[in-house]
Amino acid sequence: SQQGEEDPQALSIQEGENATMNCSYKTSINNLQWYRQNSGRGLVHLILIRSNEREKHSGRLRVTLDTSKKSSSLLITASRAADTASYFCATSRSEKLVFGKGTKLTVNP
Amino acid sequence: DGGITQSPKYLFRKEGQNVTLSCEQNLNHDAMYWYRQDPGQGLRLIYYSQIVNDFQKGDIAEGYSVSREKKESFPLTVTSAQKNPTAFYLCASSIGQGIAQPQHFGDGTRLSIL
Repeated sequence: SQQGEEDPQALSIQEGENATMNCSYKTSINNLQWYRQNSGRGLVHLILIRSNEREKHSGRLRVTLDTSKKSSSLLITASRAADTASYFCATSRSEKLVFGKGTKLTVNP
Repeated sequence: DGGITQSPKYLFRKEGQNVTLSCEQNLNHDAMYWYRQDPGQGLRLIYYSQIVNDFQKGDIAEGYSVSREKKESFPLTVTSAQKNPTAFYLCASSIGQGIAQPQHFGDGTRLSIL
């Protein structure tokens, strides 16, 4: 069953702009994780935010979590062509992760 | 370098044939996972194992089987009972049991029907 749903499904921006992706989920969670997938490759873990955290930063990435709205956002600042990839949120209530369908980000040089 | 190795990168299956996808990790992780990814879709969990000699079904286990005889290895067999096996298969591992920790992924095996 799909827990997280990303929005938008696709996003196209120019290099240097910021990219924001959103994730909504339905049930309570222990943590929420964001992953990146380059075309034809495996997923790479980006950041984990726990249910008692509201914001987390890692380099050019900023993740927020609003448990009252059951939503999270991933902001990539000053995007680069190399950021072109699909981005997935994954929610955890137990030992398993449940992935959304992803946002496909294209950064045009 | 530590990581997860999946092989082969591409695999073709004939009708009525079982095929086995290999997944090996040298990260000393306890937990391992198999996912299926269809075009434009997220990942769906097939099977997972939190410890050697033990594994559990995920959301779409029908037509698949696994074994976990060694900590480093978690092979997936796609049986002839799986009628729509064409997909991208991803193996992952994480440090341990309990609440899901960050997962490390291999680069996948793309399975097609001949």
